[in-house]
Amino acid sequence: GQNIDQPTEMTATEGAIVQINCTYQTSGFNGLFWYQQHAGEAPTFLSYNVLDGLEEKGRFSSFLSRSKGYSYLLLKELQMKDSASYLCAPMDSNYQLIWGAGTKLIIKP
Amino acid sequence: GAVVSQHPSRVICKSGTSVKIECRSLDFQATTMFWYRQFPKKSLMLMATSNEGSKATYEQGVEKDKFLINHASLTLSTLTVTSAHPEDSSFYICSARGTGAQETQYFGPGTRLLVL
Repeated sequence: GQNIDQPTEMTATEGAIVQINCTYQTSGFNGLFWYQQHAGEAPTFLSYNVLDGLEEKGRFSSFLSRSKGYSYLLLKELQMKDSASYLCAPMDSNYQLIWGAGTKLIIKP
Repeated sequence: GAVVSQHPSRVICKSGTSVKIECRSLDFQATTMFWYRQFPKKSLMLMATSNEGSKATYEQGVEKDKFLINHASLTLSTLTVTSAHPEDSSFYICSARGTGAQETQYFGPGTRLLVL
């Protein structure tokens, strides 16, 4: 079967760094997306990894290891507005995104 | 990123009526559009995938006669919830993807449906 494993909830302090881990199992693999979803809103695209390694985009970076079925999202210089759910979504062999419940990130002052 | 609009953003209707939700890609051609439903604190649930000019592919358990999807152009898809009931109350979100299968899905802002 296909599944995604992310922590349900994480707490971090404003200004700090947090790493959100994601392990996945899919039927085939065509890359992995990270989305941010604020409460009551639709998801917004953060990053896409298809090759192994780290992709950096401003305060956010995403890492992928295809052999381990593992990815993480790294958020630096945390701001209060970063409080949201973060969704790890691998794409399977049919180019369908597989969705889990995501990780709710709580930022404290 | 690309812009996807959705209308209306919020709708309240009486049980038994039909509701149409529009999803538009504003600055790119969306070969494929997706319709999702999300209940509070739950993960996104894909309802159907639609390709422009062809019939939508519905996920298991989603009634195609109840959730009518039309993707008549490369920039517009509509979802009609027919004979809505209170249990259909949910957050409906569309997303759109360009011509490449590995392209990013961009989401509309969602439509919150409340059926009384």
